[in-house]
Amino acid sequence: AQSVTQLDSHVSVSEGTPVLLRCNYSSSYSPSLFWYVQHPNKGLQLLLKYTSAATLVKGINGFEAEFKKSETSFHLTKPSAHMSDAAEYFCVVSARGGSQGNLIFGKGTKLSVKP
Amino acid sequence: DAGVIQSPRHEVTEMGQEVTLRCKPISGHDYLFWYRQTMMRGLELLIYFNNNVPIDDSGMPEDRFSAKMPNASFSTLKIQPSEPRDSAVYFCASSPGLHSAYNEQFFGPGTRLTVL
Repeated sequence: AQSVTQLDSHVSVSEGTPVLLRCNYSSSYSPSLFWYVQHPNKGLQLLLKYTSAATLVKGINGFEAEFKKSETSFHLTKPSAHMSDAAEYFCVVSARGGSQGNLIFGKGTKLSVKP
Repeated sequence: DAGVIQSPRHEVTEMGQEVTLRCKPISGHDYLFWYRQTMMRGLELLIYFNNNVPIDDSGMPEDRFSAKMPNASFSTLKIQPSEPRDSAVYFCASSPGLHSAYNEQFFGPGTRLTVL
């Protein structure tokens, strides 16, 4: 079975400092992995997606994530946080099996950015 | 493209009333998903459709909840009768397909439901 674990429920950084949001996954096959972002009172927006083409994936707004199979990790990073990055971030793994097409969401990490 | 459209954006109703949430997926997407998000339980998949056919409804909380997709451009999620514990944000999402090249889901803005 597939699963995803976000290691921090809340991360707080200062504006201009690096962001690291951690995610570990479990899958018996090579999965698709995603990061979604949800700003307050908004829907979820796709940040980036890994599909085995390249281990380092670049997304929108300067975010990127690196797929590390040996560590079963897919951590999200950004070199310099901006106030507008304050939001909740979800690490997601694709489910598999027959006609199933659903995604499995982590519990979310709330990112706070201090001025 | 307008993206996934949901209506209403906000709904306030009284316990026992019927509630109907609506969703228009992105044109050409074969998969449609309904999610519920609460502080306590996070994001939960309720049901999803492939080509208008329900595939997995194991996430539907109980018989008070029902979902339909009469055609490729419209789906409803109905709660009858509604209860205060149904208060949540309900999201609809659509996806082009299963292949890893295009299996990402596109979310609507959500419907915030409050049952008094």
